[in-house]
Amino acid sequence: GENVEQHPSTLSVQEGDSAVIKCTYSDSASNYFPWYKQELGKRPQLIIDIRSNVGEKKDQRIAVTLNKTAKHFSLHITETQPEDSAVYFCAPPEGGSTLGRLYFGRGTQLTVWP
Amino acid sequence: NAGVTQTPKFQVLKTGQSMTLQCAQDMNHNSMYWYRQDPGMGLRLIYYSASEGTTDKGEVPNGYNVSRLNKREFSLRLESAAPSQTSVYFCASSAHSGEETQYFGPGTRLLVL
Repeated sequence: GENVEQHPSTLSVQEGDSAVIKCTYSDSASNYFPWYKQELGKRPQLIIDIRSNVGEKKDQRIAVTLNKTAKHFSLHITETQPEDSAVYFCAPPEGGSTLGRLYFGRGTQLTVWP
Repeated sequence: NAGVTQTPKFQVLKTGQSMTLQCAQDMNHNSMYWYRQDPGMGLRLIYYSASEGTTDKGEVPNGYNVSRLNKREFSLRLESAAPSQTSVYFCASSAHSGEETQYFGPGTRLLVL
């Protein structure tokens, strides 16, 4: 299975600043790279994902970049707002797997101070 | 559409008691999953069902059993609860197994005394 690590485990930024969270994975056959957001007391929800045929994907203030050679992908949040405060998880699946298993990282607690 | 629903929302058990957590989805998804979430540990997969009629173990299956009752419903049973099973349990579903978005239920908070 995948060995997934996220860094940093906690991140505090001032409102308006940018935040970057990095996820490293071990399975070189992985082709799908999602990020989930979990607000306090709520369920995880997908916020952005990327497939291995592209290097970057943007959706308004969030973006994901992929470096397949180095086996890591990153979540970028620009112009952060207090409502971005949450735990963020990367969750790459086992490479080439059709069994549906995602391997969740341990999460990054992002706090955005007004 | 309700999406993924779970019952109960909260439960307190004594050590050795049994209970079943219920999960249902109305999105006609083929694949369903059970996770547990503990502080600092992320989400760990307990069992999953890639399609109706199949179930497989995840990372932490010990102490749990599952039943894929039909395409909509996937239940998780604790036969003899232990304090180590105190956790938040999430059910999730996806259209197909593999590289697909997973949709989560609201979670069940379980406390085992």
